[in-house]
Amino acid sequence: SQKIEQNSEALNIQEGKTATLTCNYTNYSPAYLQWYRQDPGRGPVFLLLIRENEKEKRKERLKVTFDTTLKQSLFHITASQPADSATYLCALGGGSYIPTFGRGTSLIVHP
Amino acid sequence: DAGVIQSPRHEVTEMGQEVTLRCKPISGHNSLFWYRQTMMRGLELLIYFNNNVPIDDSGMPEDRFSAKMPNASFSTLKIQPSEPRDSAVYFCASSSTQGALGQPQHFGDGTRLSIL
Repeated sequence: SQKIEQNSEALNIQEGKTATLTCNYTNYSPAYLQWYRQDPGRGPVFLLLIRENEKEKRKERLKVTFDTTLKQSLFHITASQPADSATYLCALGGGSYIPTFGRGTSLIVHP
Repeated sequence: DAGVIQSPRHEVTEMGQEVTLRCKPISGHNSLFWYRQTMMRGLELLIYFNNNVPIDDSGMPEDRFSAKMPNASFSTLKIQPSEPRDSAVYFCASSSTQGALGQPQHFGDGTRLSIL
């Protein structure tokens, strides 16, 4: 069955460093991958989309890579700030408009 | 612009009672999704509507759960009778399915449901 894995342990980093979060998947050939941010008590907020034929996408301090051979996406936040602290979820979609979400990784940026 | 609006934000009720959660999607979006989020299972899709028609309800846990979308601007998720294991945060999301795959989903801030 399809499986999406995100690190369940929180990632703790110092302000100014680059945070790297991982999304691995098995038994899946996604057409696209999305990353969302979720703050406590709020719904997920869409950040970035990357399609299967794209290797890398950037938006301001965010960068996403998509390696369909390794079945992995990496999500980078450069020059991280305490305000970046949140849970980040990846979501994979195949041939439909309905993505499947991972369980998310918590990021804590220490000042 | 108003985002997805859910009500109530919090609901505490006793086991056996009927619970109705409400959602107003973003105007112009033609797809609506209901999700349930728990620590154990993460974000689970319950049901998906496209143009007000239920397309995929395979995630609805059992017959106690039902969802309706009488028009493009309103949807409800009902649990009757409710059980303690239904306690979770329920999210509604909307998106447009016009154009390429991968359109972002826009989430409401959820209803935190506690069944005692």
